[in-house]
Amino acid sequence: EDQVTQSPEALRLQEGESSSLNCSYTVSGLRGLFWYRQDPGKGPEFLFTLYSAGEEKEKERLKATLTKKESFLHITAPKPEDSATYLCAVQDAGGTSYGKLTFGQGTILTVHP
Amino acid sequence: DGGITQSPKYLFRKEGQNVTLSCEQNLNHDAMYWYRQDPGQGLRLIYYSQIVNDFQKGDIAEGYSVSREKKESFPLTVTSAQKNPTAFYLCASSISGWSLYNEQFFGPGTRLTVL
Repeated sequence: EDQVTQSPEALRLQEGESSSLNCSYTVSGLRGLFWYRQDPGKGPEFLFTLYSAGEEKEKERLKATLTKKESFLHITAPKPEDSATYLCAVQDAGGTSYGKLTFGQGTILTVHP
Repeated sequence: DGGITQSPKYLFRKEGQNVTLSCEQNLNHDAMYWYRQDPGQGLRLIYYSQIVNDFQKGDIAEGYSVSREKKESFPLTVTSAQKNPTAFYLCASSISGWSLYNEQFFGPGTRLTVL
């Protein structure tokens, strides 16, 4: 069974204080790992897809990296508007191979001015 | 603008009632999904559809039903058999569930509360 664990559950940062969020996963074969941002009361917003170990993607202050067992979302010099819940999900290449995503519980990020 | 719309934003249900949540997309995506989100838990898959007139149960399908009569629409009915329906419901779509590039894009969600 696919499993995704995100840590920490909550993270409080001062504006400008860089940090990383972790997503550990267990799948029989990874088709893709996805990062989403979710604001309170809204649907998740797609950020990145990573397909293979060693891959990196960047968007503004965010950088996602992937190894064979985990992914990191690095936040450089965060601003208060980066406050949100960040969700990680994996798609297994095995089984029925349909587009099911298995989600982690998310990391709640709060950035104080 | 292309996107996914869900309605209503808030929905209140009395015990024993069936209610239907609407999901429409104009992205020309083949695959559509329904998820349920509860506080402190990840999204859980209720039903998914890879193509018109076909759908499959996800991990927590009991007490729910769906239809896929049009490519653009994938309504979810929460029946009275669902024991704990209070949750945030999210609809998503992707180009194709079978493709390698399967980013799912989400609607704004419907918050269902049982009175």
